[in-house]
Amino acid sequence: GNSVTQMEGPVTLSEEAFLTINCTYTATGYPSLFWYVQYPGEGLQLLLKATKADDKGSNKGFEATYRKETTSFHLEKGSVQVSDSAVYFCALRGSGGSNYKLTFGKGTLLTVNP
Amino acid sequence: EAQVTQNPRYLITVTGKKLTVTCSQNMNHEYMSWYRQDPGLGLRQIYYSMNVEVTDKGDVPEGYKVSRKEKRNFPLILESPSPNQTSLYFCASSLSAVAHTEAFFGQGTRLTVV
Repeated sequence: GNSVTQMEGPVTLSEEAFLTINCTYTATGYPSLFWYVQYPGEGLQLLLKATKADDKGSNKGFEATYRKETTSFHLEKGSVQVSDSAVYFCALRGSGGSNYKLTFGKGTLLTVNP
Repeated sequence: EAQVTQNPRYLITVTGKKLTVTCSQNMNHEYMSWYRQDPGLGLRQIYYSMNVEVTDKGDVPEGYKVSRKEKRNFPLILESPSPNQTSLYFCASSLSAVAHTEAFFGQGTRLTVV
């Protein structure tokens, strides 16, 4: 079945530091890849997505590139802010058969200090 | 405003007392699902529904029931809750089950079973 592995947290950074959260996946076919963010006390919201190999998703200064050769979708941001403190989930959705569900990684807690 | 609404946000109940968590979406989405979020385990799918009157089990369906009588509503029913169902629950909807479609999440329901 499909699976997503993302780096364990927590991650603690100072404001304006560079962020990388690693994500790798296992899936058959051609899945779509997502990063969701969960701010404290809230539900998940889509941060960015990529639907085919070499696509780059971007939003709010975050970026991730769909790398089929390394089955990866690492999240990066050049300069984090305190307001980026949240839990980040990498996820995939399969492309056929009964793979309708979103499969999530376990989440990475990011704390950004002033 | 496009949204997924869950109620209640917080619930404390006793073992064996039937409860229902409601979920409603106003986006005319076909696909809806329920997840539970537990520390160290990420999000796991409980049940999903492809459309009205079409539901199926996810990864952790034991102890739960769902129904989809109307397109907008997808309640989660715990007939006889047990302490191991203490968790944070999320309802999600998407336009379809196609791989690239974004999922929208409710705010979550924190359930405690004592």
